[in-house]
Amino acid sequence: SYVLIQPPSVSVSPGQTARITCSGDALPKQYAFWYQQKPGQAPVLVMYKDSERHSGIPERFSGSSSGTTVTLTISGVQAEDEADYYCQSTDNSGDWVFGGGTKLTVL
Amino acid sequence: QVQLVQSGAEVKKPGASVKVSCKASGYTFTSYDINWVRQATGQGLEWMGWMNPNSGNTGYSQKFQGRVTMTRDTSIKTAYMELSSLTSDDTAVYYCGREHSSSEYGMDVWGQGTTVIVSS
Repeated sequence: SYVLIQPPSVSVSPGQTARITCSGDALPKQYAFWYQQKPGQAPVLVMYKDSERHSGIPERFSGSSSGTTVTLTISGVQAEDEADYYCQSTDNSGDWVFGGGTKLTVL
Repeated sequence: QVQLVQSGAEVKKPGASVKVSCKASGYTFTSYDINWVRQATGQGLEWMGWMNPNSGNTGYSQKFQGRVTMTRDTSIKTAYMELSSLTSDDTAVYYCGREHSSSEYGMDVWGQGTTVIVSS
């Protein structure tokens, strides 16, 4: 079955840039989406169609795509950005797939 | 405001079924698909399937085929997810979320989640 691969964890200091990657064979053909989830809360849409920022999401969040990898970049990381981040896309039959999630730690 | 409000926590015995509701408000219920996603404690997100409230059409993850049923009642703007033959592995928080039918905008509104505990 189709899988999306994310690093389990990323750590950065406040003010630095965090990059979270998501790899999958179908990503050149299918859009990717990113969700942020804080402890005890429902996920929140951050990015859609690879690089479009969802309404209300700070400009320091950006998305990009290159080949089989999509990247969520957070420039000037703030303490409030500490969360789990999930990428999501679809397989060739249209079924959703989530990456395993990346825990962003702000040191 | 746009929101999805889910039903309360459930405790079920193994082998039983659970039906979770998801009530929409603040938008045209039939204009957005409803997806269901679950999350076991300390684990990642797992997609279960989708339903188009306008047509009633559904699509289920192969993992849950034959065990999940997604329905709706448009008169009360409510979507339902029923999961049968429960085991302890189904203990999780279940989320509904809306997705524009074009499938290009992601799940932009999520319910608050419903905890389902399966225990003898």
